[in-house]
Amino acid sequence: DTGVSQNPRHKITKRGQNVTFRCDPISEHNRLYWYRQTLGQGPEFLTYFQNEAQLEKSRLLSDRFSAERPKGSFSTLEIQRTEQGDSAMYLCASSLADRGRSYEQYFGPGTRLTVT
Amino acid sequence: QQQVKQSPQSLIVQKGGISIINCAYENTAFDYFPWYQQFPGKGPALLIAIRPDVSEKKEGRFTISFNKSAKQFSLHIMDSQPGDSATYFCAASRGSSNTGKLIFGQGTTLQVKP
Repeated sequence: DTGVSQNPRHKITKRGQNVTFRCDPISEHNRLYWYRQTLGQGPEFLTYFQNEAQLEKSRLLSDRFSAERPKGSFSTLEIQRTEQGDSAMYLCASSLADRGRSYEQYFGPGTRLTVT
Repeated sequence: QQQVKQSPQSLIVQKGGISIINCAYENTAFDYFPWYQQFPGKGPALLIAIRPDVSEKKEGRFTISFNKSAKQFSLHIMDSQPGDSATYFCAASRGSSNTGKLIFGQGTTLQVKP
């Protein structure tokens, strides 16, 4: 399978705990995006990487959230001190940027987070 | 700030009929308009996309119509099938920008009745 993969697919955690999600993009893609989707809504942009550099973060991304993409390959998204409002589907997407332009984004299956 | 507005919120179509979903955008700098299909519990799957230099793009039973002056675009699903029952999202981005981040509409839940 050469698509975007995410792990775990589901995560249930208690409020106040830390959680970490992983995304493996399509191998030749140099851009990686994180989005959050709540029930009945479209995905909302959180942050993105060009290779290993994190180039933009949404105001939705509070200081409890941190993302990394070491060596420009897989990425991790960590949420510290989780709150019930963090319950959502966390989606990862990747794309190939060519000469500064990036178009088609391919999404992974998502990680469903439930904070109890 | 809602930059992409999608309608209707839900749609019921008979098998074999035409499903039409509409989107309107505000930012004239957008230069890439994809449609995604999402089944429950799955990630969005890229269905078809258009850039503003053309007014229509067709792939199989799926067609995007684009009206640059009205800042509107729509998805037409011809010969709708029960397997098309899903949630559809339009999106827009400035692919030529440094970000390329997608701004999504609110989604349309399509039910195709057999």
